[in-house]
Amino acid sequence: QVQLVQSGAEVKKPGASVQVSCKASGYTFTAYYMHWVRQAPGQGLEWMGWINPKSGGTNYAQKFKGRVTMTRDTSITTVYMELSRLRSADAAMYYCARVYSASVVGGGFDPWGQGTLVTISS
Amino acid sequence: DIQMTQSPSSLSASVGDRVTITCQASQDISKYLNWYQQKPGKAPKLLIYDASNLETGVPSRFSGSGSGTDFTFTISSLQPEDIATYYCQQYDNVPLTFGGGTKVEIK
Repeated sequence: QVQLVQSGAEVKKPGASVQVSCKASGYTFTAYYMHWVRQAPGQGLEWMGWINPKSGGTNYAQKFKGRVTMTRDTSITTVYMELSRLRSADAAMYYCARVYSASVVGGGFDPWGQGTLVTISS
Repeated sequence: DIQMTQSPSSLSASVGDRVTITCQASQDISKYLNWYQQKPGKAPKLLIYDASNLETGVPSRFSGSGSGTDFTFTISSLQPEDIATYYCQQYDNVPLTFGGGTKVEIK
């Protein structure tokens, strides 16, 4: 079955970087765009950007440009999201989410990873 | 950025009630609107895509309608397992944006 499995929870100091991984299985990895969405505690959903696993091309929300990097490793069907210069406002659950239709950037997200909790603590 | 205004922010209804949530986009987004359900501690789940298409496996009591700037999400007969927060999301333009969410509770 189609599945996205994310890496475990992280605790980081302000100013540090965090990398979250998202391993995909059950489908052709390079055929579907992957997006990253975050959710601060008790808050709504915030889109961060997407990566094209086939080409490696990316598009980031303006808010995160300069701090976020999305990459992929096709040999292990895994995408990564790295966020640098962390601050307290970056404490959130981070999700990867695949577009439900092949070869399109947008559309509904299905499935989602289970989420990775990033805590910021000095 | 396209702003998605979702209302109400919360509601309480009885089992069997019809529940309606609205989502208004700050500009025309055609049909490029999805609805998600998120239960506490879980990732969101896609229910409706392209404004009115029911995702495979989703019960038929869920439905969506609308186009342009005004959209509606309906639960025809609220069930206890529908307790969750519901979000709309537009994908017409980058950045993709979500509504603020509607928390649905049982009265």
